[in-house]
Amino acid sequence: GAVVSQHPSWVICKSGTSVKIECRSLDFQATTMFWYRQFPKQSLMLMATSNEGSKATYEQGVEKDKFLINHASLTLSTLTVTSAHPEDSSFYICSAAGGTGNDNSPLHFGNGTRLTVT
Amino acid sequence: GDSVTQMEGPVTLSEEAFLTINCTYTATGYPSLFWYVQYPGEGLQLLLKATKADDKGSNKGFEATYRKETTSFHLEKGSVQVSDSAVYFCALSEDTGNQFYFGTGTSLTVIP
Repeated sequence: GAVVSQHPSWVICKSGTSVKIECRSLDFQATTMFWYRQFPKQSLMLMATSNEGSKATYEQGVEKDKFLINHASLTLSTLTVTSAHPEDSSFYICSAAGGTGNDNSPLHFGNGTRLTVT
Repeated sequence: GDSVTQMEGPVTLSEEAFLTINCTYTATGYPSLFWYVQYPGEGLQLLLKATKADDKGSNKGFEATYRKETTSFHLEKGSVQVSDSAVYFCALSEDTGNQFYFGTGTSLTVIP
């Protein structure tokens, strides 16, 4: 299988605090992980590509100092939203390339994290 | 740049009705096309895919044909079930780098 576990599934935090979201590939090694963000009624937007052992590649318009990505091992990537503001409230989804899932998909997705900043 | 335009929802159908969710794309090269489904509380799962023009992807009664001439990849099912209620995403990927472009998602609710 190719299971990606994302944690937490939802989080509420106060404005100005930081929140860390974890994405783990449970039964395969993922050299590349992707972080997406989804606003209501909008597309999944790619935020950054995370490669194990190197700096993440951010998409245009994504603040790398605000959305810190660490891919320290072949099974774990983290996204930290620093100094969160209400406009950061969104649905964040990670995906990982690699593994052999039943669906023959090139990517395997976590269940997503609903972040609400108050 | 690459993009995917997907039929807006939500869509509500009665059981056994025919389903079509439209998807068109813009790409600079020759992308692979995908439909992903997200059931409530779960992650995205690949439903079907097509890698070249005129290919037909199919799975669980769903079908989509890669139409290069109309740059479309419409999702169809002849008879939907309550268990098909989910959000459906059309997507494309141009390269082996696995960079995907997604549509906005279409929420489908099937009522008994």
